[in-house]
Amino acid sequence: DGGITQSPKYLFRKEGQNVTLSCEQNLNHDAMYWYRQDPGQGLRLIYYSQIVNDFQKGDIAEGYSVSREKKESFPLTVTSAQKNPTAFYLCASSIKDRGPGELFFGEGSRLTVL
Amino acid sequence: AQSVTQLGSHVSVSEGALVLLRCNYSSSVPPYLFWYVQYPNQGLQLLLKYTTGATLVKGINGFEAEFKKSETSFHLTKPSAHMSDAAEYFCAVTSGGGADGLTFGKGTHLIIQP
Repeated sequence: DGGITQSPKYLFRKEGQNVTLSCEQNLNHDAMYWYRQDPGQGLRLIYYSQIVNDFQKGDIAEGYSVSREKKESFPLTVTSAQKNPTAFYLCASSIKDRGPGELFFGEGSRLTVL
Repeated sequence: AQSVTQLGSHVSVSEGALVLLRCNYSSSVPPYLFWYVQYPNQGLQLLLKYTTGATLVKGINGFEAEFKKSETSFHLTKPSAHMSDAAEYFCAVTSGGGADGLTFGKGTHLIIQP
């Protein structure tokens, strides 16, 4: 079945450590996105990529980095510069001919900083 | 700039009663509007979307929403609530091609009373 796979589902990190969240899709979608979800805050866009080897900052990119070396992969690194990294992270993708903006989401990764 | 306001962080209804979740948007150009549902510790699933054409949009699980330009609203309704409808609901907006992602509201937690 086609879909978006995020790993790990749960991750614990000590302060000062970088951590990388994986996002893989086999939907052949062009665009991929990372959102951060906090209770009562909705979803906020971190980074997005519309094409391989290109990506754009979203609303809250500080303390995060991404790469898009392959169409199917869009990993997110949470760096030690992110002051409050504990959150639920959602990866999504979209394709142009499915209409504007319709996003398909993975199951999420929950990061906890100890 | 675009934004979404969801009125009521928590809404409680009795099983079998009408569900009404409110969403107002702000957009400088004609918007595309979406409702997503999220079950605990899962990703988001598309319920319905409005792009162009008919302003009353029907989605999955018996939900529908009506786009009212004059009121800048896109409220979500369901005639009869079911216990399985208990979840978090997000309204989202984009404009233009939407390739730069969606702007989400803060979400409404729907509680179904037996």
